[in-house]
Amino acid sequence: AQTVTQSQPEMSVQEAETVTLSCTYDTSESNYYLFWYKQPPSRQMILVIRQEAYKQQNATENRFSVNFQKAAKSFSLKISDSQLGDTAMYFCAFMNPLSFGNEKLTFGTGTRLTIIP
Amino acid sequence: DTAVSQTPKYLVTQMGNDKSIKCEQNLGHDTMYWYKQDSKKFLKIMFSYNNKELIINETVPNRFSPKSPDKAHLNLHINSLELGDSAVYFCASSQSGTGRTGELFFGEGSRLTVL
Repeated sequence: AQTVTQSQPEMSVQEAETVTLSCTYDTSESNYYLFWYKQPPSRQMILVIRQEAYKQQNATENRFSVNFQKAAKSFSLKISDSQLGDTAMYFCAFMNPLSFGNEKLTFGTGTRLTIIP
Repeated sequence: DTAVSQTPKYLVTQMGNDKSIKCEQNLGHDTMYWYKQDSKKFLKIMFSYNNKELIINETVPNRFSPKSPDKAHLNLHINSLELGDSAVYFCASSQSGTGRTGELFFGEGSRLTVL
């Protein structure tokens, strides 16, 4: 079974600074998907960024980028120029390739990020 | 216009009662899910339905019974509620066969408290 580990339960950073959230995972598969989801205090989860394991290029979405190290099974999220609206729980997630067409996500335990004004 | 909506948002009930949570999505997706988030914020899938057919059924007690009357709705009925059922239950939807694999759209959650 796949496992996803987020070793930082809480982090805080000053507004406008850059912060990196860590995630490691364990799988025997060679092809899979990785995600970062954000859960603001309002509770609704939204997708921040996704990475396909067969792509070597790291995914970016505006201020959000990932550092995907496949051999190390590491998938960190970098938030640049952090904003107050980035305050949220961030979940790393893994998707088993066998579930293509029916997205079963395995989530990590989350990192609570606070942006300090 | 809410994409994935759940009702009720808050539910407080006594042990042993039966309760239901309803979910509707207006995104035209063909797949819907129920996830459970415990007090430590850990999220775990419970069920998924694709076009009204049960696809994923994790090791969830038989007291939990999902029902999908059509592909836009997925309800969760819980019998004989126990203290350990207290959690936030999230409904989500996705569309299979697109280039956005793994992109789930979540509802705001339903916080269930069993006393």
